[in-house]
Amino acid sequence: NAGVTQTPKFQVLKTGQSMTLQCAQDMNHEYMSWYRQDPGMGLRLIHYSVGAGITDQGEVPNGYNVSRSTTEDFPLRLLSAAPSQTSVYFCASSYGSGTGANVLTFGAGSRLTVL
Amino acid sequence: GQSLEQPSEVTAVEGAIVQINCTYQTSGFYGLSWYQQHDGGAPTFLSYNGLDGLEETGRFSSFLSRSDSYGYLLLQELQMKDSASYFCALYGNNRLAFGKGNQVVVIP
Repeated sequence: NAGVTQTPKFQVLKTGQSMTLQCAQDMNHEYMSWYRQDPGMGLRLIHYSVGAGITDQGEVPNGYNVSRSTTEDFPLRLLSAAPSQTSVYFCASSYGSGTGANVLTFGAGSRLTVL
Repeated sequence: GQSLEQPSEVTAVEGAIVQINCTYQTSGFYGLSWYQQHDGGAPTFLSYNGLDGLEETGRFSSFLSRSDSYGYLLLQELQMKDSASYFCALYGNNRLAFGKGNQVVVIP
């Protein structure tokens, strides 16, 4: 099993460019989410999805879009990159209910630098 | 809303015991969990408390007191590989909110 797969691992963008971070999971998890991690800030939730066709905003959604057309995939789109979006991004998934909702499986992370 | 507080850093020698505390504020409680993250790596799940009391998983134990809005992670018989950041996380309203983490440095 691959678990949660994120691509790319590293990306450098110029201010104003757009890009998509890909996330796929093969565990048939209903719940998927995106976090960003900055030094001293812990993990902050950007967007999440409780199932195909359903998405919602997290703590820091501005500047990001998501969609969930299938159970497996949950891409994160940066519409117009800004230096403040320089961060490490993690995709995570879980069964999304009961005790399982507390057990997130994370991807390896994507390190994004915006110049 | 939810908020979690964790102290920042602790250094300990191999074989020692370290306790990492987490206090929280929430309007509805659905579980407190703990994650480990090595430098450059992804967070990995360690432990979960849904009810008051102690949960033991090998050398790691986690405790919860809902009346005190407080939990801790206990790392016993520290090993060099335990050098990492440890995060508590609070579940509610379809989201898992993380504390800022506590870095543990294990020295020989």
